[in-house]
Amino acid sequence: TQLLEQSPQFLSIQEGENLTVYCNSSSVFSSLQWYRQEPGEGPVLLVTVVTGGEVKKLKRLTFQFGDARKDSSLHITAAQPGDTGLYLCAGGGGGFKTIFGAGTRLFVKA
Amino acid sequence: NAGVTQTPKFRVLKTGQSMTLLCAQDMNHEYMYWYRQDPGMGLRLIHYSVGEGTTAKGEVPDGYNVSRLKKQNFLLGLESAAPSQTSVYFCASSYGSRPSRETQYFGPGTRLLVL
Repeated sequence: TQLLEQSPQFLSIQEGENLTVYCNSSSVFSSLQWYRQEPGEGPVLLVTVVTGGEVKKLKRLTFQFGDARKDSSLHITAAQPGDTGLYLCAGGGGGFKTIFGAGTRLFVKA
Repeated sequence: NAGVTQTPKFRVLKTGQSMTLLCAQDMNHEYMYWYRQDPGMGLRLIHYSVGEGTTAKGEVPDGYNVSRLKKQNFLLGLESAAPSQTSVYFCASSYGSRPSRETQYFGPGTRLLVL
């Protein structure tokens, strides 16, 4: 059974700080997705990484897929209160085969 | 386009009562899903559908039934609600072929409290 473990589970930081959250597995994934879920809403896809070692940037967010395609990281530079939310990683082939990590809940204080 | 919509947004049930959650999507997606989200457990797949008239069990199907009579709608039913079904329920949809199906579009969720 494929599992995705995310760490940390909770992170509270001051505006302007940098942070990294991790998504790890013992299984190899063909691709990984990162979603952000704001309070009271459904998850929204941020990015999909498909190649080992791939790095994608989305403004202040940098996503990396591990060389062995078993892990991924999300780095946020100069966090802002608008970054507050639950960050979920997902993988497994898409569709009904998708599995989700439990998420990292980020709170950025102004 | 409205994307994925869910009704109701919030509901309180007593143990043993029944209810139906409605999901609608206007993106012509083949696949639709029902998840539940509980603290510390992430999203768990309840049931899914790969097309009109077809449904299948996911990871946690017990106590739930689904139907997909029209491509754009996916209904989740609770025949006899239990307190363990207190959760936030999300509907999602996606295209059926790779890599497009890796992107799921979620509704805003239904918060269900079973007393």
